[in-house]
Amino acid sequence: GAVVSQHPSRVICKSGTSVKIECRSLDFQATTMFWYRQFPKQSLMLMATSNEGSKATYEQGVEKDKFLINHASLTLSTLTVTSAHPEDSSFYICSAWAGKTTAANVLTFGAGSRLTVL
Amino acid sequence: DAKTTQPTSMDCAEGRAANLPCNHSTISGNEYVYWYRQIHSQGPQYIIHGLKNNETNEMASLIITEDRKSSTLILPHATLRDTAVYYCIVRVLRSNYQLIWGAGTKLIIKP
Repeated sequence: GAVVSQHPSRVICKSGTSVKIECRSLDFQATTMFWYRQFPKQSLMLMATSNEGSKATYEQGVEKDKFLINHASLTLSTLTVTSAHPEDSSFYICSAWAGKTTAANVLTFGAGSRLTVL
Repeated sequence: DAKTTQPTSMDCAEGRAANLPCNHSTISGNEYVYWYRQIHSQGPQYIIHGLKNNETNEMASLIITEDRKSSTLILPHATLRDTAVYYCIVRVLRSNYQLIWGAGTKLIIKP
C-alpha cells in the first residue's frame, strides 16, 4: 500500500533556530501534500497545502514566512519552521493522496514529527 | 468548521463489537464519508470510506443510513490495540480535496 515517510520523528531545538521536516511518498507520486499541526488532546489542524512545483497554499492564520514549505519533486515536501519559539512546539503531520486526487482515494499520513522548542 | 459530530468518548469491552456513531446531516450528494483513527503520538491511519452503500474491509464495517445523514463504524471484535481516537470525516468539496477534521471519538477498549 501507499506509504508516506516523515523525518525526523522527534526533534528538540533551541529557541531562535530553524528546523526542517521532510515528507516523502515512498511508492507513489504526490502532486499534492498536506501539512497539519496537532496540539495535545486536540484534532488535526490543516496548515497548508503543498503543490509540486508551485507555492504552497496556507490556511488562514498560518504565517507563511514562519512555516516555509517546499515541494520540489513529486515525492518530497519539506516544512521548515523558522526562528522557532516554544509556542511552535507541536506534533506536525504530513499527508498525501495516493494516486489520483478523487474522492474515492485514500489520504495517507506520515507518522508525524514531534517538535520541542526549548 | 467540521461537518461531522461524534461523541467525545466511548468505552467497549475487549472482544465485543465497538459501534462508533457519526452525524453528517449536511453532507452533499457526492461527498464521501471517511474514517481514520489515531493512536497516541502517531499519524492517522485510514480505516474505511464509503459513499452510500455499506462497506466492509479487514478492519471494519461502515454502515451509512439511507438518507446519508449519519453513519456507524463497526469494529467487530475490539482488541486493546484498537484504543485510539476515531475520526469521521466528510470530504470537503475544495479543488485540492482537503479533509477537515473534527474532534473525533476517544475509544477505550477495556480488558
